[in-house]
Amino acid sequence: GAGVSQSPSNKVTEKGKDVELRCDPISGHTALYWYRQSLGQGLEFLIYFQGNSAPDKSGLPSDRFSAERTGGSVSTLTIQRTQQEDSAVYLCASSLAPEAYGYTFGSGTRLTVV
Amino acid sequence: RKEVEQDPGPFNVPEGATVAFNCTYSNSASQSFFWYRQDCRKEPKLLMSVYSSGNEDGRFTAQLNRASQYISLLIRDSKLSDSATYLCGTDTDKLIFGTGTRLQVFP
Repeated sequence: GAGVSQSPSNKVTEKGKDVELRCDPISGHTALYWYRQSLGQGLEFLIYFQGNSAPDKSGLPSDRFSAERTGGSVSTLTIQRTQQEDSAVYLCASSLAPEAYGYTFGSGTRLTVV
Repeated sequence: RKEVEQDPGPFNVPEGATVAFNCTYSNSASQSFFWYRQDCRKEPKLLMSVYSSGNEDGRFTAQLNRASQYISLLIRDSKLSDSATYLCGTDTDKLIFGTGTRLQVFP
């Protein structure tokens, strides 16, 4: 596709349930980020994939959060046993050559835990 | 100390004004610098990459000061449509953003 695609766009889940968020980066983009943005807050780094290198998971807030990237393309972010404080917009961004072109963001998944 | 810091604002300026934002970063090894614009309930969009020599795009000028470890964004002749949150980002081993500076341009 022309841009970074994220699904679902909105997700309401009950506390304690697991959720899976999906990101389809721009074709050929080797770098992929996940960020979390709570209402009125900045972008909180979660995880970074670059090519075939081991991902930088240093931003994941707890072991309930995990992410994978299959075949260097699609990525899924999984949150287990969701809590109300997990409610936020989860944004994915990808890039081929960041220094030249920066990163392109998807429109995000708005997660609400009730 | 946060890796990237910005004044959250809001900056309220009249149309036609010139406004400048600064963003400080703590890691001297940072290699790439960016300004992003984020409209309410939308995803961030790249406004400008910031180069060592500084760069200009129309009414927008970005500068990098490595000695003092900050980047700046200057907006000239502000338009109502410039109202948004401006995020700065630095890329060392990963891309980290500041919390953003909110700009409100009024008629």
